[in-house]
Amino acid sequence: EVQLVESGGSVVRPGASLRLSCAASGFDFDGYAMSWVRQTPEKGLEWVSAINWNGGSRAYAESVKGRFTISRESAKSSLYLQMNSLRAEDTALYLCARQGSSGYYSSIDSWGQGILVTVSS
Amino acid sequence: EIVLTQSPGALSLPPGERATLSCRASQSLSSSQLAWHQQRPGQAPRLLIYGASIRASGIPDRFSGSGSGADFTLTISRLEPEDFAVYYCHQYGSSPHTFGQGTKLELK
Repeated sequence: EVQLVESGGSVVRPGASLRLSCAASGFDFDGYAMSWVRQTPEKGLEWVSAINWNGGSRAYAESVKGRFTISRESAKSSLYLQMNSLRAEDTALYLCARQGSSGYYSSIDSWGQGILVTVSS
Repeated sequence: EIVLTQSPGALSLPPGERATLSCRASQSLSSSQLAWHQQRPGQAPRLLIYGASIRASGIPDRFSGSGSGADFTLTISRLEPEDFAVYYCHQYGSSPHTFGQGTKLELK
């Protein structure tokens, strides 16, 4: 069974940094692209970033480009999201997701439960 | 950026009825790279349909997807109590990937 468990969420001040982690299990982590998606009651689901199977290709939403960095670590079957220069509008539930193939131009086929990030002064 | 517009925003139906949900893209999607996800209250989303019309593993056959180009439809043939949820379309063929704003399917 595919399991994706996020951690690292917190309440932080504007301008702060935070690193989210996603521990993956139940599948061959190296065979799949991965993504981060965030959710708010106002905007619904918003795609944030994606990374292919070996980390050689990454993509970002315009709203986070230059501030967020996606990465993965094969030895730990883990996905990360380094978030810098956080803004109030980054407040959301952040969900880790598995794509259906090694490249990120594939459908998300599994989701984590999400972790809450709150940016507030 | 491809904008996905879902309609209606909310739909109220009784169990046993047929539900038809629409997703329109601002431009044609390559290779019908469109998915539908269901989200029940307090739960993570769940993949229902990918490639516009292919049911994901374990999804009941009352769920079907259709469409191509820029117009797509999710049909639930006979609503069960567990189907009342929010449904999102998602295009993954072009970066940035985008989601529709969701259709809330409510129990009447």
